[in-house]
Amino acid sequence: EADIYQTPRYLVIGTGKKITLECSQTMGHDKMYWYQQDPGMELHLIHYSYGVNSTEKGDLSSESTVSRIRTEHFPLTLESARPSHTSQYLCASSASRVDTDTQYFGPGTRLTVL
Amino acid sequence: DQQVKQNSPSLSVQEGRISILNCDYTNSMFDYFLWYKKYPAEGPTFLISISSIKDKNEDGRFTVFLNKSAKHLSLHIVPSQPGDSAVYFCAASADSGNTPLVFGKGTRLSVIA
Repeated sequence: EADIYQTPRYLVIGTGKKITLECSQTMGHDKMYWYQQDPGMELHLIHYSYGVNSTEKGDLSSESTVSRIRTEHFPLTLESARPSHTSQYLCASSASRVDTDTQYFGPGTRLTVL
Repeated sequence: DQQVKQNSPSLSVQEGRISILNCDYTNSMFDYFLWYKKYPAEGPTFLISISSIKDKNEDGRFTVFLNKSAKHLSLHIVPSQPGDSAVYFCAASADSGNTPLVFGKGTRLSVIA
């Protein structure tokens, strides 16, 4: 059982609001990830981090930003939310290992922007 | 261009029978493969993985088979149970996991009692 947490689980906000989605893990994992998933679609990687003060953009262009100041914490921020940001956001983490990289996911945040 | 493809969006199987979920990939650099199970409004749960040095990995009712020459892997669930009904995602990574995972679109499995 992986110990990775996301808050809030559900969020409904108006256009133009700034929001931060929280993700924390207690496993000491070096690597953390943010994915975006629309219903019936694959998970798209939007940001990842391989350690403190290290962040990279993923395959899917996103207007969000991330920070990694502490190993256990990887928040995602939208400066000005729009209806096109409505989606499920999934956070994951994994340990740095030589041979395998199993990612463990949090429960997700369902974001609706009106 | 999709590097990981799950061509069957859905699959229905009777309880007690075998469920076979398929996944194809195009990137020959992928060397680590995983299957995840996802219920609605929850995050994906890791099920089973396989390294490219193996062609089979088994864990209880779940077995993953890898055919590197065909760039194909499959997940077998035997016997299928109603609680197995979920969306199953295939994922792959290269460089022994040092590159981010690439996911397929998922296959929705329905196990009918």
